[in-house]
Amino acid sequence: GAVVSQHPSRVICKSGTSVKIECRSLDFQATTMFWYRQFPKQSLMLMATSNEGSKATYEQGVEKDKFLINHASLTLSTLTVTSAHPEDSSFYICSARDPGTGGTGELFFGEGSRLTVL
Amino acid sequence: GNSVTQMEGPVTLSEEAFLTINCTYTATGYPSLFWYVQYPGEGLQLLLKATKADDKGSNKGFEATYRKETTSFHLEKGSVQVSDSAVYFCALRPDTGGFKTIFGAGTRLFVKA
Repeated sequence: GAVVSQHPSRVICKSGTSVKIECRSLDFQATTMFWYRQFPKQSLMLMATSNEGSKATYEQGVEKDKFLINHASLTLSTLTVTSAHPEDSSFYICSARDPGTGGTGELFFGEGSRLTVL
Repeated sequence: GNSVTQMEGPVTLSEEAFLTINCTYTATGYPSLFWYVQYPGEGLQLLLKATKADDKGSNKGFEATYRKETTSFHLEKGSVQVSDSAVYFCALRPDTGGFKTIFGAGTRLFVKA
């Protein structure tokens, strides 16, 4: 199947700093990628839809200025957590649809990035 | 709005036991339904899917049938193995266009030898 890769897999930062997480589709072009946040009891919350060449679409309750998303190419989307605070500590997962799979809607997921804010 | 509700875990079974993880959904029209699995330390991967009513998705001995009348997509396996220990997510993609996918809370399965 298609491969999506995230980097870094783990990051620790100080409160007030910004952290960038990259999501790459390795063997396909993804016009749309999705960013999820996974909470300690497993639930996945959709944060935003990242659209190549245009602004991201954020879900209700997600702060656009806190979680900056850039999708500058067909294989790369980035999530920047700005002025991070301990409550932003979480597991962030990106996913993408491979257009080659047709309209089935299957998503391919990255390995996730664990952010710890001290 | 669209939502997915699945049974809370953790579910603990002995090897070769029968597994059912319940999943119900709320959505208009005919969403596509999915089960994803997350093995320890890994990302999510698609387990099976069904795109229309009465479709049965199956993979690796797991099955789920799209029941429009009960808005359900329960996951079943006749005989679980230790290697099936993971977190299972039920998910839907609305039929309103786009590929946004809504996930349930996940159910952790432990299988004991």
